[in-house]
Parts: sequence; structure tokens; C-alpha cells
Amino acid sequence: TQLLEQSPQFLSIQEGENLTVYCNSSSVFSSLQWYRQEPGEGPVLLVTVVTGGEVKKLKRLTFQFGDARKDSSLHITAAQPGDTGLYLCAGARNQGGKLIFGQGTELSVKP
Amino acid sequence: GAVVSQHPSRVICKSGTSVKIECRSLDFQATTMFWYRQFPKQSLMLMATSNEGSKATYEQGVEKDKFLINHASLTLSTLTVTSAHPEDSSFYICSTVNSVTGELFFGEGSRLTVL
Repeated sequence: TQLLEQSPQFLSIQEGENLTVYCNSSSVFSSLQWYRQEPGEGPVLLVTVVTGGEVKKLKRLTFQFGDARKDSSLHITAAQPGDTGLYLCAGARNQGGKLIFGQGTELSVKP
Repeated sequence: GAVVSQHPSRVICKSGTSVKIECRSLDFQATTMFWYRQFPKQSLMLMATSNEGSKATYEQGVEKDKFLINHASLTLSTLTVTSAHPEDSSFYICSTVNSVTGELFFGEGSRLTVL
């Protein structure tokens, strides 16, 4: 049972386009994290959202946590080839460090 | 610098042999570490929670006799894949949590290839 549904799983776009990745769940999370992973490396944390309705910006990336803390989105503006990679959302139920990962979104940005 | 170190980063072994992967917490003592498995183009699947000084907690469907976890010190957890088979080939990643700050850190991952 996938507790955190991430979509789309694959996305191929042209440089300059915008995109949004979604993570949805029927469960409430105490926090939700977004990671980016390069092939052969561990995931790297992009952001953690904790408060319902919270919006965080990281340059061209905008992260939003749903009001009910069950869903989140990642929006990339004017995507660049350097944004190519695997994006992962992960939810935490408590402070213990155990994360539930979404299926991941493989993003390819073509020049 | 790295907060969590995994070793080896790559390992190739013959079918039927056992392989040990180490996960070291470099900056803080970690009473809890997590082991994940990741297949190509897929997400991370939690295998088990490694608890210092006690038995690991395995996720449903993960064979504890197949994937032996030892967390004998506050800075080291090991995952041993016993009697490895080609279907065990995967990317194994560990993570640690700083119990004081709540921050989570991932290792660089270990690529296991079983021939």
C-alpha cells in the first residue's frame, strides 16, 4: 500500500517551461520533506514543510504544504537542464526520523 | 562535509556470498538509523529501523534473516545481505537522525551487484 502518492512519475519538458509535482495522502503528516537525487547518490534535502498551508520558496522552486497536512506540491518555474533529476517527497508521522517516500518523479529538462 | 558515510559505495559479489555494508554517523551519536533499498528509477523503500543496543525493526515483507542489521555502537550500523542472489542487486541507502535537532541525514548509498 502506497501511503504517499506522487505524480507524475515521469516528466519530460523543454527548458523554460513550468511544472508541478504533487504528493497526496489520506494520512496526516507532522512534516513533509522534498528531496532531489542524482544517479548513484543519496537524496539531498531541498526543504521541509511543517505547518499546514505553509509555502516555501527556494529560488525557482516553490513548495506548498496542504492546509490539512495531507498533501504537498513542488512547482518549478522556468525549468533548466540542471533541474533534471529524481524528485522525492517524503512524509514523517513523528520526530523519530522514519519517512514514507512517494514513488518519485523523474524529471528531464531538455535544452 | 559528509555527516553520514556509507562503505563500500560499490560492491560486486558472486551469488551465494554475503556482503556487509556499513553506515557511520560522523557528526553525532545516532541511536536510530534507517536502511532503505532503491531499485533503478524507483523511490526509496524502508527496509528496517536500526536501534542501538537492541534488535532492528523490520518493515513488512523484509526478511530479517536475509538482511541482518547490527547497531552495536552509537555511530555504526551494518547491513549484511546474506546468501546474496541477483535479485538482491540494488542501491542500499542509510539515514540517521540527530535526536537533539531532529535533522535527518542520508548516506551516499551503496550499489550492490550480485552476479
